[in-house]
Amino acid sequence: EVQLVESGGGLVQSGGSLTLSCAVSGFSFSTYAMNWVRQAPGKGLEWVSAITYNGEKMSYADSVKGRFTVSRDNSKNTLYLQMNNLTAEDTAIYYCVKTPFGNYHLSTFDYWGQGTLVTVSS
Amino acid sequence: DIQMTQSPSSLSASVGDKVTITCRASLGISNYLAWIQQRPGTAPKSLIFAASSLQSGVPSKFSGRGSGTEFTLTINNLQPEDSAIYYCQQYYSLPLTFGGGTKVEI
Repeated sequence: EVQLVESGGGLVQSGGSLTLSCAVSGFSFSTYAMNWVRQAPGKGLEWVSAITYNGEKMSYADSVKGRFTVSRDNSKNTLYLQMNNLTAEDTAIYYCVKTPFGNYHLSTFDYWGQGTLVTVSS
Repeated sequence: DIQMTQSPSSLSASVGDKVTITCRASLGISNYLAWIQQRPGTAPKSLIFAASSLQSGVPSKFSGRGSGTEFTLTINNLQPEDSAIYYCQQYYSLPLTFGGGTKVEI
């Protein structure tokens, strides 16, 4: 069974930093590209970042570029999102999302985690 | 960025009904279109990819059509568990973008 379990969310002050983790199981993590998608309270879905299967290529939404860094440790089956200089607009549930391919280009999503809530206080 | 526009934004239907949701892309995306379901208080779930292909385990009551800029999601024989927000999403180009969602109430 595919499982994606996010952790690391919490309350942080504006300007602060936080690192999210996504521990996966049930599939060969090192084979697939991964994404982060967020959802502000009561709002829709917003794509945040993507990373290829081997971690060599990453992409970001303009809203987080230069502040967020996605990475992965295939030996630990874990995806990360380092978030710096957080603002109230970053308050959201952050979902870890798997793709069915090694590259995120032209790749859909197939499995979602349950999410972790990040709250940025001003 | 490619803009995704869904209609209607919400609808109400009865058990057993058939409903159709429309999604329009601001430019042609071939069939790089997915549909995602989010039940109240839960994480999103991928339903359809490549405009019309069902994800593993998704019942055949869900169907998708379309190509280019106009797409539809049809849900047959509505049941209470189909109450959810449905999002379309393009994966033709970065940034990946979502429609605003359609809330289906039963």
